[in-house]
Amino acid sequence: GAVVSQHPSWVICKSGTSVKIECRSLDFQATTMFWYRQFPKQSLMLMATSNEGSKATYEQGVEKDKFLINHASLTLSTLTVTSAHPEDSSFYICSARKPGGSNIQYFGAGTRLSVL
Amino acid sequence: GENVEQHPSTLSVQEGDSAVIKCTYSDSASNYFPWYKQELGKRPQLIIDIRSNVGEKKDQRIAVTLNKTAKHFSLHITETQPEDSAVYFCAASINDKLIFGTGTRLQVFP
Repeated sequence: GAVVSQHPSWVICKSGTSVKIECRSLDFQATTMFWYRQFPKQSLMLMATSNEGSKATYEQGVEKDKFLINHASLTLSTLTVTSAHPEDSSFYICSARKPGGSNIQYFGAGTRLSVL
Repeated sequence: GENVEQHPSTLSVQEGDSAVIKCTYSDSASNYFPWYKQELGKRPQLIIDIRSNVGEKKDQRIAVTLNKTAKHFSLHITETQPEDSAVYFCAASINDKLIFGTGTRLQVFP
């Protein structure tokens, strides 16, 4: 199997606070994980590629100082939304890819972030 | 960069009919094309995928075709059932990243 766990599933926070989202590959090691954002009724937009042991690669237009990514182990990547504002409210989804050259990405269940 | 277009944005069919969703991509270097099904508020689930060295792949009621020359790929669902109702996303892989299409909301009426 290939199970990816994401936590929390839902978080409400006040404007200006920071929120950390965790993405874990439960039954395989993932050297590469991906973070996406999905607004209601829209597609998945890739935010960044998380590489174990190195800095994340951010897509154009994504603020690296606002969306901090850490991939400290082969099974865990975290996304921290710093100084969150209402416009950061969205559905954040991670995915992980098995090593060995496979292109298949397995997705977490997503985190719905609401910033008040 | 890679751009993936998907049509139609919504599709309504009667139970038992077939559904076809089409995607085009821009970068000829793309070599992997998955299709995901996403139910409301849930994670995307891989339903079928195809690699650039294959023209067609089938898995029970689901099939995907790829035309590399035209840079088109399509999802075909036969004998649709109400539980097929969801949003379907195509994607193209370029430089190990997936670029997603805009999605198709499929509704299957009993």
